[in-house]
Amino acid sequence: DTGVSQDPRHKITKRGQNVTFRCDPISEHNRLYWYRQTLGQGPEFLTYFQNEAQLEKSRLLSDRFSAERPKGSFSTLEIQRTEQGDSAMYLCASSSTASGDQPQHFGDGTRLSIL
Amino acid sequence: GENVEQHPSTLSVQEGDSAVIKCTYSDSASNYFPWYKQELGKRPQLIIDIRSNVGEKKDQRIAVTLNKTAKHFSLHITETQPEDSAVYFCAVAETSYDKVIFGPGTSLSVIP
Repeated sequence: DTGVSQDPRHKITKRGQNVTFRCDPISEHNRLYWYRQTLGQGPEFLTYFQNEAQLEKSRLLSDRFSAERPKGSFSTLEIQRTEQGDSAMYLCASSSTASGDQPQHFGDGTRLSIL
Repeated sequence: GENVEQHPSTLSVQEGDSAVIKCTYSDSASNYFPWYKQELGKRPQLIIDIRSNVGEKKDQRIAVTLNKTAKHFSLHITETQPEDSAVYFCAVAETSYDKVIFGPGTSLSVIP
């Protein structure tokens, strides 16, 4: 068990560009979550999947954001036409509904900086 | 939607003293209450959690209490050490595998 891994760890891009992040959950974890954390704040829920199905998407999530989990394993989060306000740490977490009442495990996150 | 409040926002204690952080929530459907510790630049790490069928849980120097009727829960750290210095987040969810709603955090400083 290597834990939740996220790639890249850091991304710097110019405003208006598209970016894509990847998350590899703990193997056999069927649920995968995306959160966003800005400086000095708690993580904010964005969306989550059970296997390949996207179960919920935050109302705060603009239509520039899209997430996929095509094969029920890794997930990608894409932000189109990035804006200054998108600068944040994007955290991924995973858990399993099959192994009892287990907590979510977080990855190290991808830090996005918009120039 | 769920609203989680957390107090205080900053807390400074002398090494060896106790620290208490309090949280309130609004959604009575919440049944899972984890606490996360986050050091600068690192991932949130679960330190303790409690479920609604339990009023108190303890793990060494850390304890959590829950009052579901009043919709508040607290984290207690005893015999604080400098390595306890971090930001602590309370959180709520319906179950451990539902979306987690985090509080705004408490920055704890333990002074040697």
